Amino acid sequence: AQKVTQAQTEISVVEKEDVTLDCVYETRDTTYYLFWYKQPPSGELVFLIRRNSFDEQNEISGRYSWNFQKSTSSFNFTITASQVVDSAVYFCALSGYNQGGKLIFGQGTELSVKP
Amino acid sequence: DTGVSQDPRHKITKRGQNVTFRCDPISEHNRLYWYRQTLGQGPEFLTYFQNEAQLEKSRLLSDRFSAERPKGSFSTLEIQRTEQGDSAMYLCASTDGGGGETQYFGPGTRLLVL
Repeated sequence: AQKVTQAQTEISVVEKEDVTLDCVYETRDTTYYLFWYKQPPSGELVFLIRRNSFDEQNEISGRYSWNFQKSTSSFNFTITASQVVDSAVYFCALSGYNQGGKLIFGQGTELSVKP
Repeated sequence: DTGVSQDPRHKITKRGQNVTFRCDPISEHNRLYWYRQTLGQGPEFLTYFQNEAQLEKSRLLSDRFSAERPKGSFSTLEIQRTEQGDSAMYLCASTDGGGGETQYFGPGTRLLVL
């Protein structure tokens, strides 16, 4: 069975603080893909990053960075110097290679960045 | 390049009525997915199409739900005899690859069944 766990339901920070959103996954597939999506109050899911299981390099994109560790089945997301516009619900998702491409989502972490 | 669009954005209906939602994927994307999201939860997979073929349906998709993708372009999701438990956000996503490719989501249709 495939599963994604985002243990942090809500996080509140003050602007300019760094924040890390945790994601732990379970899968029996050797080839799989991991994603992060952002869902602002408008409701539309916005794609942030995709990683395949053979690429454990960390990635940085502006204030965003991702740490993928197969040894701990984790794919954590860090926002550096958070801004109010980062306030949203963030979802981690998993897709197994033989699963038809369907995404298995975690329950999401609601991030609130206060000025 | 326009993104995924969904219509309507909001729908309020009475229990027992039928409703139909439409999704227009990104042009030339061969795969189209439907998900359902209830309050405070992550989206859950319902079904997906590769071109016009419906390749998988979740057990969440009861007999009252049906989806089509005629000619492999837009897709419709119909719910017959709606129940209050059907109240949710229905999300559509499309991708131009096979399994594991990035899915791009539409704005969703928010359904409220009274």
